[in-house]
Amino acid sequence: GAGVSQSPSNKVTEKGKDVELRCDPISGHTALYWYRQSLGQGLEFLIYFQGNSAPDKSGLPSDRFSAERTGGSVSTLTIQRTQQEDSAVYLCASSPGLAKNIQYFGAGTRLSVL
Amino acid sequence: AQTVTQSQPEMSVQEAETVTLSCTYDTSESDYYLFWYKQPPSRQMILVIRQEAYKQQNATENRFSVNFQKAAKSFSLKISDSQLGDAAMYFCALLSNDYKLSFGAGTTVTVRA
Repeated sequence: GAGVSQSPSNKVTEKGKDVELRCDPISGHTALYWYRQSLGQGLEFLIYFQGNSAPDKSGLPSDRFSAERTGGSVSTLTIQRTQQEDSAVYLCASSPGLAKNIQYFGAGTRLSVL
Repeated sequence: AQTVTQSQPEMSVQEAETVTLSCTYDTSESDYYLFWYKQPPSRQMILVIRQEAYKQQNATENRFSVNFQKAAKSFSLKISDSQLGDAAMYFCALLSNDYKLSFGAGTTVTVRA
């Protein structure tokens, strides 16, 4: 596709369940980023991947959060044992590299934890 | 650490008029980029304009222009000839050597017909 694709668009889950959010970056982009947008915290960085290098996980809020990127393309953000405070919009972005390039965003996944 | 501050939660503008959104930031680095992103209700973050810190000339993109004051660490966005489609939330963001965007809290722009 032409842009960053995220699925699902919306996800409703029960507290304590695990969820997986998917991001398909722009073809050829080697850098991929996850951000979280919540009412209380605004937009905050979670993790980024660049090529085959170890990811920068410094923004992950707890060990319930993890992410992987398979084959240098699609990425999955996993939240285990979801809590109500995990409710937010999870945005994915990609860029041609880690240099100070423009990051192109997907439309996000709105996660609601009941 | 980088911080970005947008002090205007909401701004309203008459169609065809001009509105200016404020942004201040703090960073200890000398080489960084500044961005304005637009987020309509569809949630898609759309790049409006980009400014490289080493460039003195203010960036412009059609009806959008910035006033970049490096010494004051100020980066305001001017929207000229406002259109109904400009209604959205606007985020100021800073990108420095850690490759992570730092965002302000956002400004909601309403355009009155």
